[in-house]
Amino acid sequence: DTGVSQNPRHKITKRGQNVTFRCDPISEHNRLYWYRQTLGQGPEFLTYFQNEAQLEKSRLLSDRFSAERPKGSFSTLEIQRTEQGDSAMYLCASSSGVNYGYTFGSGTRLTVV
Amino acid sequence: QQQVKQSPQSLIVQKGGISIINCAYENTAFDYFPWYQQFPGKGPALLIAIRPDVSEKKEGRFTISFNKSAKQFSLHIMDSQPGDSATYFCAAGPQRGSNDYKLSFGAGTTVTVRA
Repeated sequence: DTGVSQNPRHKITKRGQNVTFRCDPISEHNRLYWYRQTLGQGPEFLTYFQNEAQLEKSRLLSDRFSAERPKGSFSTLEIQRTEQGDSAMYLCASSSGVNYGYTFGSGTRLTVV
Repeated sequence: QQQVKQSPQSLIVQKGGISIINCAYENTAFDYFPWYQQFPGKGPALLIAIRPDVSEKKEGRFTISFNKSAKQFSLHIMDSQPGDSATYFCAAGPQRGSNDYKLSFGAGTTVTVRA
């Protein structure tokens, strides 16, 4: 297992289009997190899953955002009707039940034009 | 509201010097204080972490100092090397006794090590 994998690495989309990102966590990790990072800022929490259950969503996650983790494995983050303000790096991380330390993926950089 | 405040925003240090980054937090229920290192185009990578029952932790050239009463912690990079040039983030969480496992991050410090 080579760590947390995110696809695509880069996505350019026109305003109003829908986009979907995928995250494959470390296989033995039961927790999966999505964060958003804008230039010059630290990661901001969006949502997290324990196994397949979505346990918390940030107020940053508007109705246009939805995340799933079917069968507690990979996760997808979908943004509908993208806006220019959605342009950011979307980071996925995973952790195991006995360790608070996150392992982050390399992120998906979204640019909305 | 930002739960973890980090300073400075950036710093420049000569090779062999000491880099010091400071963070402050408000929530006394936080139970874990990690530092992450991020290079351009990459995700943050866990560097070193400490729990509130310890005042200092050292791993190689990296040391965390933790002051529970002041609700502050800092990262010291000793003998700084050009390869240490990166952005460093402090973080805090989860909350003790809860099922809340999320981390709150500081805004980051960009460290530049001059050869």
